[in-house]
Amino acid sequence: ELKVEQNPLFLSMQEGKNYTIYCNYSTTSDRLYWYRQDPGKSLESLFVLLSNGAVKQEGRLMASLDTKARLSTLHITAAVHDLSATYFCAGWSGTYKYIFGTGTRLKVLA
Amino acid sequence: NAGVTQTPKFRILKIGQSMTLQCTQDMNHNYMYWYRQDPGMGLKLIYYSVGAGITDKGEVPNGYNVSRSTTEDFPLRLELAAPSQTSVYFCATHLNTEAFFGQGTRLTVV
Repeated sequence: ELKVEQNPLFLSMQEGKNYTIYCNYSTTSDRLYWYRQDPGKSLESLFVLLSNGAVKQEGRLMASLDTKARLSTLHITAAVHDLSATYFCAGWSGTYKYIFGTGTRLKVLA
Repeated sequence: NAGVTQTPKFRILKIGQSMTLQCTQDMNHNYMYWYRQDPGMGLKLIYYSVGAGITDKGEVPNGYNVSRSTTEDFPLRLELAAPSQTSVYFCATHLNTEAFFGQGTRLTVV
């Protein structure tokens, strides 16, 4: 059964700094997703990574996938306050299910 | 095009009461899911369906039931509500490589 773990669970960072969120998964997953959730809101899709070595970038966020290491990363470049949110990664199990990590609560301090 | 619509948005139940959370999609997607999100936590899969007439248990199905008589609707039934079912419930659909989430139902059991 696919298991997804994220770290860190909480991240407080200064504006302008760089940081990386890590997402490890336990078994083969065809694809890896990253979502953003603002307090009291639903999930917003950020990235879908479909193959080994896939890299996607949107603004200050860049996601990558290493299927051999069973690792995905979400890199934040020069953080700004608007990036404060909770970020989830999710794997796709072979039985038609999304399995989510526990989330990383990011707070960007001015 | 409304996407995934959940009703109600908020509900307070007394212990032992029952209710049905409604989820309707207008995208003609076969795959539908119910997740719950406890405060500060990730999403846990309750039930999912790969098409009308087909449902299966997820990670945390106890205390819940579902049905899928049409492609559009995937209601989640809570029987004998308990405080442990206080959570935010998200319905989602899936097509190809993308998931679409409803806005959530915030349920409190007192």
